[in-house]
Amino acid sequence: DTAVSQTPKYLVTQMGNDKSIKCEQNLGHDTMYWYKQDSKKFLKIMFSYNNKELIINETVPNRFSPKSPDKAHLNLHINSLELGDSAVYFCASSQAVSTEAFFGQGTRLTVV
Amino acid sequence: GESVGLHLPTLSVQEGDNSIINCAYSNSASDYFIWYKQESGKGPQFIIDIRSNMDKRQGQRVTVLLNKTVKHLSLQIAATQPGDSAVYFCAVRTNAGKSTFGDGTTLTVKP
Repeated sequence: DTAVSQTPKYLVTQMGNDKSIKCEQNLGHDTMYWYKQDSKKFLKIMFSYNNKELIINETVPNRFSPKSPDKAHLNLHINSLELGDSAVYFCASSQAVSTEAFFGQGTRLTVV
Repeated sequence: GESVGLHLPTLSVQEGDNSIINCAYSNSASDYFIWYKQESGKGPQFIIDIRSNMDKRQGQRVTVLLNKTVKHLSLQIAATQPGDSAVYFCAVRTNAGKSTFGDGTTLTVKP
């Protein structure tokens, strides 16, 4: 029973394409996140949703658009992919904004 | 904003020794601190946390120490085992809900 699951696990696509990554959590948590991890393992928060409402939106290009259809899902859509978007993207959830986060397995995005 | 840094990017220890991983943060308003372990090919996994009203917390083989005066956080792993080899991150959270992660320390345990 995966707590936080994201699909796909690997995504290889060409520059200029539009792609989506899906995330679902079955923990009943109120808060969900997207993180980006670069090749040097540096983790940076991109977005955070609490009860389907956007609460954190870091300096991320407008090409990235999160969507939360319900509390259990937070999807990430990326338009006009660029080489620099290549990274591992992690979805996470937490019971509240001030509790520990549970991470998914990550989606390795490679833009060629 | 918050900056979070780890003192050493890599740490190599002998199996059975104790490991100490250090983290420094900049924002005195930070009130929640978390250590995560990330194994290769996996997402970060929660190890232990501590809130700003405490200065020490112990788990199974792990201890987190918080020194708010110098804005320093450390993770101590007792009797380090090969399965402890991973990248360790500290995360610092303000009550606004924003988490800032440190750069990560790669722990290698030699048999």
